[in-house]
Formats: sequence, C-alpha cells, structure tokens
Amino acid sequence: AQSVTQPDIHITVSEGASLELRCNYSYGATPYLFWYVQSPGQGLQLLLKYFSGDTLVQGIKGFEAEFKRSQSSFNLRKPSVHWSDAAEYFCAVGGSQGNLIFGKGTKLSVKP
Amino acid sequence: ETGVTQTPRHLVMGMTNKKSLKCEQHLGHNAMYWYKQSAKKPLELMFVYSLEERVENNSVPSRFSPECPNSSHLFLHLHTLQPEDSALYLCASSQDLRQDTDTQYFGPGTRLTVL
Repeated sequence: AQSVTQPDIHITVSEGASLELRCNYSYGATPYLFWYVQSPGQGLQLLLKYFSGDTLVQGIKGFEAEFKRSQSSFNLRKPSVHWSDAAEYFCAVGGSQGNLIFGKGTKLSVKP
Repeated sequence: ETGVTQTPRHLVMGMTNKKSLKCEQHLGHNAMYWYKQSAKKPLELMFVYSLEERVENNSVPSRFSPECPNSSHLFLHLHTLQPEDSALYLCASSQDLRQDTDTQYFGPGTRLTVL
C-alpha cells in the first residue's frame, strides 16, 4: 500500500539557518510526489511537485526537493529560513484514484 | 473571488444536528475532493468527484453524505455526528484526475466541533 512517512513531528531552526525536512514514501511504481505547506488557519498550498525528469525540483518561496529513488525519499530543503516559513509541511504521494496520500506533517518553528 | 472557498469556516454542532459544509471552486476544474484533517493523523481522503460523479468513497461512514450538483460546487451533509468527527474538513479541486499534470488546490477548511 502507498504510504508517506515524515519522521520529524516538530523541528525548530534559527532564522537564516538551512532547513531539511525528511520524507520517505512507499509506492510500487514511479511516484508523483508533492510538498504542501499549511499556515495556521489556512488550507494547503503547493510548494513543489515531482513527476519525472530532473530529480532536483525547484518550488516557490525558495524551496527545493530532491527525489532519491534508491532511498525512497523526497526531502525538502531551503538554504536560509525566514520567520514567515513557520508552518506545517506535508509530504504527499499521488494515489491510484487521483487522490493524495499525505504524511502526518512536520511542524516548523523558527527562532529569531 | 478566486481559488477554492469554503463556508462556514467554523461550525459547532450537537450530535443530533444536521448541517452542511459548502465548497466552491472558481478555477474551472472538473475534479473535487473532501479531505478530513484530524489532530495527529494524516489527512484522509473522504470523497472524490469527477465531472459531478463520485469516483471514490473511502470507507466513510454514512453520517457523511456528499453532493456535487455541478463542477463548481461540492457539499458535505452532516447528520448524527460523533465527537470523534471533530476535525478540519478540507476541500480541494484539480483540473482532472491526472496527477502528472493536475495540481490540487485546497480551500481554507471548515473547523468542525461536535459536542
């Protein structure tokens, strides 16, 4: 069965520091992978997605993610975090019915 | 108005009440979704509609009843809910069901509390 694991429930980084959020997936075929961000009281906003091709994907707000098939991972990175990046981040894999299968999310806190 | 809107944003109801959640998308999409977001659990897909036909019912209890009268509107009718149904209910839409080309756009959600 398809599944997504985000091993870190909560991460705190200092403003200006680099960030990496981990995501591992389980899927039999070539996966469609997504990262979404959710600010408090808001819906989910797509940061980036991977379908095929270049394994390093650029997204909005300075985020990028790298697809590593050998590790079944799709980690999200940002070189320098801003206070406005504090939110909850969700990794997802595309399901067989056009739906998305989400991980439990990683909450990011940013220290000034 | 643009994007995906949901009303109400907050709803408190008793277990014997009947209420409805509304979702409207202004993107010209053909597919719409209901997701449930509970504390400490992954987002769970509830229903998928494509061209107003239900294509997925993810083992959702019958106390949740979806309705898609047209491709722009999606409702979730609620009756005799349980306290464990308290959650954030998110609506999403996409052009179609093709994940290689179609992005799902989410509404802000309805925060439901069942007393």
